[in-house]
Amino acid sequence: AQSVTQPDIHITVSEGASLELRCNYSYGATPYLFWYVQSPGQGLQLLLKYFSGDTLVQGIKGFEAEFKRSQSSFNLRKPSVHWSDAAEYFCAVRSGTYKYIFGTGTRLKVLA
Amino acid sequence: EADIYQTPRYLVIGTGKKITLECSQTMGHDKMYWYQQDPGMELHLIHYSYGVNSTEKGDLSSESTVSRIRTEHFPLTLESARPSHTSQYLCASSYPVNNEQFFGPGTRLTVL
Repeated sequence: AQSVTQPDIHITVSEGASLELRCNYSYGATPYLFWYVQSPGQGLQLLLKYFSGDTLVQGIKGFEAEFKRSQSSFNLRKPSVHWSDAAEYFCAVRSGTYKYIFGTGTRLKVLA
Repeated sequence: EADIYQTPRYLVIGTGKKITLECSQTMGHDKMYWYQQDPGMELHLIHYSYGVNSTEKGDLSSESTVSRIRTEHFPLTLESARPSHTSQYLCASSYPVNNEQFFGPGTRLTVL
């Protein structure tokens, strides 16, 4: 069955430290992959997406993600975290023409 | 910048009331979606639409109904709200080509 797994429910990092959020997917065909961020009381905002081509994709707010087909992973990274990055992050894969499968999210806490 | 709006943002109502959650987008997207989101859980698709007069149920069984009379408008209705309907409801729309989704800010519904 198609699925998205975000193994880390909570992650805490210090401001200025690097960040990596993990995402593993299970999908038979070439996946369309997304990372979204959700601040409290808000909807989801698209950070970046991968459809094809270069496996390292750049997004907004200094985020990047790398698609690794051999590991079925699409991990999100940021070299230096800012306090404003504290939020919940969702990985998703598009399945079919309308269906998106979301992970359960990783909540990021940033220490000053 | 995506323009997708949801009203009300917060709603507290009593059991048995009929409610309609509004969703509008100004991007001319044909595809629109309703998701239900609970803390610590992935987003669950409850309804989607390919265009005017097209509505389908999603993966999560829902007692709500939707309509799509105009491209820009995709309201969700609960005929008789119950405490089990307490949740956050997110509306989204997507481009026809790559299906990148844009989300509204959400409606947090509490049924007493």
